[in-house]
Amino acid sequence: KQEVTQIPAALSVPEGENLVLNCSFTDSAIYNLQWFRQDPGKGLTSLLLIQSSQREQTSGRLNASLDKSSGRSTLYIAASQPGDSATYLCATLSGGSNYKLTFGKGTLLTVNP
Amino acid sequence: GAGVSQSPRYKVAKRGQDVALRCDPISGHVSLFWYQQALGQGPEFLTYFQNEAQLDKSGLPSDRFFAERPEGSVSTLKIQRTQQEDSAVYLCASSWYRGSGANVLTFGAGSRLTVL
Repeated sequence: KQEVTQIPAALSVPEGENLVLNCSFTDSAIYNLQWFRQDPGKGLTSLLLIQSSQREQTSGRLNASLDKSSGRSTLYIAASQPGDSATYLCATLSGGSNYKLTFGKGTLLTVNP
Repeated sequence: GAGVSQSPRYKVAKRGQDVALRCDPISGHVSLFWYQQALGQGPEFLTYFQNEAQLDKSGLPSDRFFAERPEGSVSTLKIQRTQQEDSAVYLCASSWYRGSGANVLTFGAGSRLTVL
């Protein structure tokens, strides 16, 4: 059974700092890995999706990498802004399922002005 | 509307009451998912519909949970005889495609259930 772990559970940084969020998973036979953002009282917004054959994806100030062999992914946020404050979740599709996402518990990010 | 709509947004139930949570997916979306998110946890899969067919209900915690999507659009998650451990945010998501493999899911804002 896939297990997804996110470290740290919470992170507080000053505005402008570059930061890295970590995600690890136990079953390396994944179809893809996604990073989501969750704001209080709102649903999840997909930020980046990395297919199993890819090593990284970029969108604006966000860059996500994937190392299947080591069971790790990182989300890099450049020049953080207060608007980046949210919970960031990673999730994998694996275990022969093309629809059942397994999520980590998330990292609560606070960017202080 | 342009997004996935869930209602009610907040529900408080007394232990033992039945509740029904509604999800209006984006029009034309084939796949519909329900996830349960307890406080401080990541979402956990409950069930998956492809059109009106419930292809996977393996994540439903007990036989008190029941989901349906009779016409392949709106879905209802029903919880009978609610218990305190049912307190969570119930998230609905939909997608144009079968499964969610290569495709971005659109999530609703969730229904927060509190069982007293």
